[in-house]
Amino acid sequence: EDQVTQSPEALRLQEGESSSLNCSYTVSGLRGLFWYRQDPGKGPEFLFTLYSAGEEKEKERLKATLTKKESFLHITAPKPEDSATYLCALNRDDKIIFGKGTRLHILP
Amino acid sequence: GAGVSQSPSNKVTEKGKDVELRCDPISGHTALYWYRQSLGQGLEFLIYFQGNSAPDKSGLPSDRFSAERTGGSVSTLTIQRTQQEDSAVYLCASSLGQGLGQPQHFGDGTRLSIL
Repeated sequence: EDQVTQSPEALRLQEGESSSLNCSYTVSGLRGLFWYRQDPGKGPEFLFTLYSAGEEKEKERLKATLTKKESFLHITAPKPEDSATYLCALNRDDKIIFGKGTRLHILP
Repeated sequence: GAGVSQSPSNKVTEKGKDVELRCDPISGHTALYWYRQSLGQGLEFLIYFQGNSAPDKSGLPSDRFSAERTGGSVSTLTIQRTQQEDSAVYLCASSLGQGLGQPQHFGDGTRLSIL
């Protein structure tokens, strides 16, 4: 069965304290892995798509990487405005499978 | 440009009533999705429309749920005889197409509360 598992469920960091969020997956026929950011009361906002192992994408303080079994979202020197829930999702054929997300809280 | 628009943003109704939720996708997007998000839970897939093809209804939780997409654009999700467990945020997303691994773009959802 295809699965997407995100860890940790929640993470509290001090401003400037770098860390990584994990997305582990088991799927056949991966056709893309997505990262989204979701703020309270809002819909998920698209961040990155990764298609193959070894691929990396960067945007401001965020960098997403992909291996054959997991993806990491690295957050470098985060700021309070980076606080949000980060969702990982897999595109398999005609289905999108979402993880439950990591709630990230950056303390000033 | 305009993003995905959903209405109403909030809906409160009594148990047993029918509700209709509307989604206006991004112009030119052929794929449209409905999801349900309950407190503390991940996104639960409900239904998927792609162009003129028959929709994928495999995620609809019961026959009280149905959806239409008219003219390949606006979509309506209908819940009949609402139950308290239907309370959740209903999210709509659209994309250029599924087969190319296109990312989905989401609206801000309709928060549905069943009294």
